[in-house]
Order: sequence, then structure tokens, then C-alpha cells
Amino acid sequence: QVQLVQSGAEVKKPGDSVKVSCKTSGYTFTSYSISWVRQAPGQGLEWMGWFSANNAKANVVQKFQDRVTMTTDTSTATAYMELRSLRSDDTAVYYCARVYNAYAPSLYWGQGTLVTVSS
Amino acid sequence: DIQMTQSPSILSASVGDRVTITCRASQSIIKWLAWYQQKPGKAPNLLISKASSLESGVPSRFSGNGSGTEFTLTISNLQPDDFATYYCQQYNIYSRTFGQGTKVEI
Repeated sequence: QVQLVQSGAEVKKPGDSVKVSCKTSGYTFTSYSISWVRQAPGQGLEWMGWFSANNAKANVVQKFQDRVTMTTDTSTATAYMELRSLRSDDTAVYYCARVYNAYAPSLYWGQGTLVTVSS
Repeated sequence: DIQMTQSPSILSASVGDRVTITCRASQSIIKWLAWYQQKPGKAPNLLISKASSLESGVPSRFSGNGSGTEFTLTISNLQPDDFATYYCQQYNIYSRTFGQGTKVEI
């Protein structure tokens, strides 16, 4: 069965970087992309972008383009999202989700990773 | 960027009610719209894709409608398990945007 298992919670200081992993199984990793979505405490869902495990191309929302790097490791079927220059308003649960193509929503999601940014 | 606006933000209802949530897009998204249900501490759960296609395993009391810029999610005969937050999401080759969410509460 398809599974996306994310890394554990992180506590960071302002200015730090965080790298969240999303280990996948149960499907052909390179046939899909991985979307990243975040949710601040008590707030709605915010799409950050996606990364194609097929052609290693990223599509990142403009507001994150200078701080986010999305990558994959096809040897371990794992996707990564690194967010740099953390601020307190980056405190959120970060989700990865599988994407088949541009015209399909995400059926499979990771369990979420809480990133807390606090001095 | 395509903006998605959901209404209402909060919907108070009772078991057995029929409720409707509206989602409006800032430009035509044809039928590229999904609805998700989210419960506290959990990842979103996909209910409907392509505006009206019910995902496998989703109860038939959920239905989606609309095209272009205006869409609805209707839950008929509301059940206790349906009290949650619902999000619409547009998806296309360039971006994916969520609505701000609708909390369905007792």
C-alpha cells in the first residue's frame, strides 16, 4: 500500500534551517511528484510547491522561492523540503503529498511534521 | 495567481441536516477542483476530485457540483463523523491553491 512517512518534529531558532523528509513506499517513486503543504497552528492549508521525482524539476510558490529547496533521493524513494532563514511565522505542520500529474489532486499524504520556530 | 474563496467560514449544523459549502475561484478553473476533509491533528482526506467525482470509499452523502468559478460541496444527512473542516483546492499545471476552509460544527 502507498505510504508517505515523514520525519519527526523539529524545534528551531529564528534564522535556522530545517529539512523535512518524506519517505515513500508502495509505488514507483519516479512516476509521481511530491507536493509540500503547510498549516500554521489553527490556520488553513497553504500549498508551497511540488517537485517532480521524474525530471527533478521544482515548482515553488513565489513567496517561498528564495528560502525553499525541494529535492528527492530516488535511491531511497525519499523527498526532502528544506526551509531556510526560519521565522516565527514558519511555525507550522508541514505535509508531503503524492501528486500523479498536474490535473490530479493528492490522495496520499504524509502524517505531517511539526516545525516550531522559537527563540 | 488563482485565489479561492470559501463560504461560510463556520457552519453550525445538526445531525441529519443537509449543508452546502461554496467555493469561488478568481478565474475559471473549468472543473479542476478538489474537496478535502480535515480533522484535528490529521492530514487532509480527499473526498472529491474534478469538481464532482467521489473518491473511492467516500460516503454517497457527499456530493460536489459546479464548473468555471463557482463550486459547491453538499453533505446530506450530516453524520457525527462529518463534523470537521473542509477545504476546496484548485489544481492545474502551474499551481494549487486552497480555500481558507469551512469548519462544520455542531
